[in-house]
Amino acid sequence: AQSVTQLGSHVSVSEGALVLLRCNYSSSVPPYLFWYVQYPNQGLQLLLKYTSAATLVKGINGFEAEFKKSETSFHLTKPSAHMSDAAEYFCAVSDGTSGNTPHVFGKGTRLSVIA
Amino acid sequence: ETGVTQTPRHLVMGMTNKKSLKCEQHLGHNAMYWYKQSAKKPLELMFVYSLEERVENNSVPSRFSPECPNSSHLFLHLHTLQPEDSALYLCASSQEYLAGDTQYFGPGTRLTVL
Repeated sequence: AQSVTQLGSHVSVSEGALVLLRCNYSSSVPPYLFWYVQYPNQGLQLLLKYTSAATLVKGINGFEAEFKKSETSFHLTKPSAHMSDAAEYFCAVSDGTSGNTPHVFGKGTRLSVIA
Repeated sequence: ETGVTQTPRHLVMGMTNKKSLKCEQHLGHNAMYWYKQSAKKPLELMFVYSLEERVENNSVPSRFSPECPNSSHLFLHLHTLQPEDSALYLCASSQEYLAGDTQYFGPGTRLTVL
């Protein structure tokens, strides 16, 4: 069965510092992997998606994630944090095997950016 | 209107009330979803409709009743709710009910049950 683990329910960084949000997945077949962001009082929106075309995926707002099969990881990074990046980030896995729902979400990581 | 819209944005109801949440997608998608998001639990998938047919019902109590009259509209009918049902209810849609399809979310309805 597919599953997602996001390490750290809350991450705090200084403005301009590197952002690293961790996601590890479990899947019996090559998966699709997603990062979504949720700003306060809003729904989730897609940051980026891995579909096996390239292991390094670039998304919106300067974020990127690297698929590492050997580590079953799909960590999200951004070189320099901005105050507007403060939000909740969700990693999701989807492998389409029979009986599985399209997305299984992690518990989320709340990112705080300190001025 | 563009994307996925949800009404109302906020709802307060008593345990004996009946109310409905509405979701509308303007993206021409064929699959629609209801999720429950509460502070203590991760995002919970409640129902999935594909081409107006319910394809998933994840052990949701019968006090929640979904309805999908067409591929653009999704409702969640609520009756005799409990205080623990207070949460953010999110609607989403995707092009098809497929593993790799991106889901597009509405802003949610913040429900408070007194």
